[in-house]
Amino acid sequence: AQKITQTQPGMFVQEKEAVTLDCTYDTSDPSYGLFWYKQPSSGEMIFLIYQGSYDQQNATEGRYSLNFQKARKSANLVISASQLGDSAMYFCAMRGQNDYKLSFGAGTTVTVRA
Amino acid sequence: DTGVSQNPRHKITKRGQNVTFRCDPISEHNRLYWYRQTLGQGPEFLTYFQNEAQLEKSRLLSDRFSAERPKGSFSTLEIQRTEQGDSAMYLCASSLSLRMEGKLFFGSGTQLSVL
Repeated sequence: AQKITQTQPGMFVQEKEAVTLDCTYDTSDPSYGLFWYKQPSSGEMIFLIYQGSYDQQNATEGRYSLNFQKARKSANLVISASQLGDSAMYFCAMRGQNDYKLSFGAGTTVTVRA
Repeated sequence: DTGVSQNPRHKITKRGQNVTFRCDPISEHNRLYWYRQTLGQGPEFLTYFQNEAQLEKSRLLSDRFSAERPKGSFSTLEIQRTEQGDSAMYLCASSLSLRMEGKLFFGSGTQLSVL
């Protein structure tokens, strides 16, 4: 079974600044994938970034980057140059190597201030 | 490609009534998932279909819940004898790849309120 922990229920960030969202995980699978999704108030879950457990480099997608520390079992999301449209709930999720499904954390609400 | 479509967007019902939700996945996606999300929490897995076969069901899916995916296309989720604790957002997702990096594409959800 996979377990995802997001300990920050809410965060405020000033526009144009960077913010780091914490995610730790627990799994017994030797191989797994880690995902981050964004959920704005409209409700739809939007995929942001993926990191494979055996990937040598940290994943980056535009303003999103993933700080992957395998030994610590953490996969923190960094959003650079925050924009007002980044205000949303952010979820960390993972899939084990034999899993069909994604398991999600409880999420972190990000509010960007002008 | 119009994305994952869910209907209705909102449903208000009285306790004890039956409700049915529909999900239309992205057309070429053979994998379909249902999740439930309560306020301030992450989505919780309910069930998974590969084509028309229901391959996994969560223990959250009580006997009052049933899901179908006839012909491997759209899917329905029915809740019988609704209870107030069933109030939640019901999310549908689909995917094409079962590879580790295969992401799920989500619909906008059906918000259920049981009075």
